[in-house]
Amino acid sequence: AQSVTQPDIHITVSEGASLELRCNYSYGATPYLFWYVQSPGQGLQLLLKYFSGDTLVQGIKGFEAEFKRSQSSFNLRKPSVHWSDAAEYFCAVGVFWGKLQFGAGTQVVVTP
Amino acid sequence: EAGVAQSPRYKIIEKRQSVAFWCNPISGHATLYWYQQILGQGPKLLIQFQNNGVVDDSQLPKDRFSAERLKGVDSTLKIQPAKLEDSAVYLCASSLDVVAEAYNEQFFGPGTRLTVL
Repeated sequence: AQSVTQPDIHITVSEGASLELRCNYSYGATPYLFWYVQSPGQGLQLLLKYFSGDTLVQGIKGFEAEFKRSQSSFNLRKPSVHWSDAAEYFCAVGVFWGKLQFGAGTQVVVTP
Repeated sequence: EAGVAQSPRYKIIEKRQSVAFWCNPISGHATLYWYQQILGQGPKLLIQFQNNGVVDDSQLPKDRFSAERLKGVDSTLKIQPAKLEDSAVYLCASSLDVVAEAYNEQFFGPGTRLTVL
């Protein structure tokens, strides 16, 4: 069965520092992979997606993610975080007919 | 472009009461989803509509939850009777036709936070 694991429940990072959020998936076929961000009181917003092709994908807000098939990973990165990046981040895998299976999320706290 | 609208934003009820949530998707979006997000967890799909037909309701607790999308536009999700474990945020999302393009982006509403006492 398909699953998504986000090993880090909570990450604290200083403003201006780099950020990496981990995501591991289990899926039998070539996965469709997504990263969403959820700010307090807001719905989820798509940051980026991977369907095929170049394994390094660029998203909005300066985020990028790298698909590594050998490691079943799709980690999200940002070179320099801003206070506005404090939010919860969800990795998801597309199963079929547009259905998404989400990980449990990683809460990011940004300190001054 | 208007986003996905949901109401109410917050609801507090006693257990065994009933509650209904409303969602208006983005205009032209054929596919509508209802998710349940329990605190500390990722969203879990409850039901998926394609126009006014159900595509997937395998994780909908049908003894107490029901949903409809009668005219293929807005949708309601109902819980009757509510249990304590139903306390969660209920998210509605919509996308363009998943039959034509399986992974069209899903656009999420702000959600309804339900507290069952």
